[in-house]
Amino acid sequence: AQSVTQLDSHVSVSEGTPVLLRCNYSSSYSPSLFWYVQHPNKGLQLLLKYTSAATLVKGINGFEAEFKKSETSFHLTKPSAHMSDAAEYFCVVSPQAGYSTLTFGKGTMLLVSP
Amino acid sequence: DAMVIQNPRYQVTQFGKPVTLSCSQTLNHNVMYWYQQKSSQAPKLLFHYYDKDFNNEADTPDNFQSRRPNTSFCFLDIRSPGLGDAAMYLCATSKPGTVGEKLFFGSGTQLSVL
Repeated sequence: AQSVTQLDSHVSVSEGTPVLLRCNYSSSYSPSLFWYVQHPNKGLQLLLKYTSAATLVKGINGFEAEFKKSETSFHLTKPSAHMSDAAEYFCVVSPQAGYSTLTFGKGTMLLVSP
Repeated sequence: DAMVIQNPRYQVTQFGKPVTLSCSQTLNHNVMYWYQQKSSQAPKLLFHYYDKDFNNEADTPDNFQSRRPNTSFCFLDIRSPGLGDAAMYLCATSKPGTVGEKLFFGSGTQLSVL
């Protein structure tokens, strides 16, 4: 069984300040972990993924996430927020190998103010 | 450049009137998924096809059906839409066999039920 908990439903930051979106997971096997972003009225776009290689994963648009097995966390960070980062972010877990359906977190809405 | 294409972008139907949403892909992926996403919620998997094999989620209502006539196309049929079926419907694809499989999403069809 697997599950994902996104600890904040909304995060508000000012443009130019750091972003931290928190995600904890539960999995009975070694997981793959993903962060997806969804802009208003759009589909989901993959930001980055972890698949048992380096624990610090770099993604698109300056985002990165660190897999911490001891803390069962996969938090998403960005050093400096941009207005265009305002969107909904989903943390997702799946089994590491083979095909299987993904488990989504409930999402975190990132709000960026000027 | 679009790899997973959903039509139409917006669909309006009447209560109880059958409606079909379509999805096509240019990726030649084996697996196609349909997700339902209601406002401010995570996507919820309805069903998926692995090639021609259909996999229904246990809690997907009988009102929802799907067809996959070939690799490229997949349809979602809602036989008698209710007001509660108004949502964004997301199609996604994946190609099993690689570790840490990721989904490619379409832009979604926003369904309104009047």
